[in-house]
Amino acid sequence: KAGVTQTPRYLIKTRGQQVTLSCSPISGHRSVSWYQQTPGQGLQFLFEYFSETQRNKGNFPGRFSGRQFSNSRSEMNVSTLELGDSALYLCASSLDGTPVETQYFGPGTRLLVL
Amino acid sequence: DAKTTQPNSMESNEEEPVHLPCNHSTISGTDYIHWYRQLPSQGPEYVIHGLTSNVNNRMASLAIAEDRKSSTLILHRATLRDAAVYYCILSYTGSSNTGKLIFGQGTTLQVKP
Repeated sequence: KAGVTQTPRYLIKTRGQQVTLSCSPISGHRSVSWYQQTPGQGLQFLFEYFSETQRNKGNFPGRFSGRQFSNSRSEMNVSTLELGDSALYLCASSLDGTPVETQYFGPGTRLLVL
Repeated sequence: DAKTTQPNSMESNEEEPVHLPCNHSTISGTDYIHWYRQLPSQGPEYVIHGLTSNVNNRMASLAIAEDRKSSTLILHRATLRDAAVYYCILSYTGSSNTGKLIFGQGTTLQVKP
């Protein structure tokens, strides 16, 4: 099976712009989670989508949003970019998102905000 | 959410066993113990998980204390490829915890040739 893929792998934006990142889960996986990784805060949970619905959410401002399509592919969007949004954005997929399940991570999208 | 405590860093020699400790004194009865690792420039990858009993797989072993307040990830023969940040994570089976892993700072493992 192909692993989790994320596009693009690298992105440079300027403050105030918006960005959309894409994640394709492992075939058959219905849960997609998003994480932000920064040197200062480490890996932090953004949100989780299951069957096209946001089912769980971390503590991030409303500028961070996402969606999931009927084929389980997911996108996350960050509006009005700030310098502090520079980070590695990781998505992970699992069969149903239950806490016991293994999450499979993609390679991440590295976002630099100038 | 229950918290885990891990040493910031550890060193090992290649081909020797490595024991990575994790304290989780506030663990509840339904919390599973997961270990993930993150190799340089990659996303985290699953290593092993368990609830009460010790667990083995092809990558590692997980030894869980009888009172479940601590656990140890054992790499039987470290290789250079095992140099990574190792995260010990607790996940409870509540419905509000779907798809969510809470990562701490982890242990950075250096493997010397």
